[in-house]
Amino acid sequence: GAGVSQSPSNKVTEKGKDVELRCDPISGHTALYWYRQSLGQGLEFLIYFQGNSAPDKSGLPSDRFSAERTGGSVSTLTIQRTQQEDSAVYLCASSLPSGAINEQFFGPGTRLTVL
Amino acid sequence: GNSVTQMEGPVTLSEEAFLTINCTYTATGYPSLFWYVQYPGEGLQLLLKATKADDKGSNKGFEATYRKETTSFHLEKGSVQVSDSAVYFCALREISSGSARQLTFGSGTQLTVLP
Repeated sequence: GAGVSQSPSNKVTEKGKDVELRCDPISGHTALYWYRQSLGQGLEFLIYFQGNSAPDKSGLPSDRFSAERTGGSVSTLTIQRTQQEDSAVYLCASSLPSGAINEQFFGPGTRLTVL
Repeated sequence: GNSVTQMEGPVTLSEEAFLTINCTYTATGYPSLFWYVQYPGEGLQLLLKATKADDKGSNKGFEATYRKETTSFHLEKGSVQVSDSAVYFCALREISSGSARQLTFGSGTQLTVLP
């Protein structure tokens, strides 16, 4: 079956511009996570969605970052007024309801470069 | 808070050599422990996991044992292959609270296996 997909695979933008990154989770997976993988910071949790519950935004680094999940499926991560330090690979993962043993399946990531 | 510390890389081995990648963790509750692998150009994949003390996770010849007394989850393989060249991430996930249960990752260890 189809895995987690993300688009675009690569995004180059200029400092100050807004970007939107998209994630299509595995069908039936109610939990969705965004992570960021950057040099010097490793893999960091950003935000979590579970069904219709309010998202856990505790990992978002600033108020320039936001995310939504429409209809419990597709999610969009938006970064406003991008900065060079936002350059990273943004990873999306999905899982069945977030019990500890439910594996998180990762997408291929979106590589964001802010010039 | 939770944290994962893993062996700094890069690690370079000859084919058929023995591999150990050290991983230790700090957690407030009772975490599940994971090793993820990222092959060149691919997304993160779950390699193995252990959900309680003394559990041994294994897959593809890799093993790791959940050691609560030493808070460790070291990855081992008896005979590495060129195809094992990848970045390996140790991670934990709390199971004791109603939190997001996101993964907390180590910094990753780059493994290169030479023929």
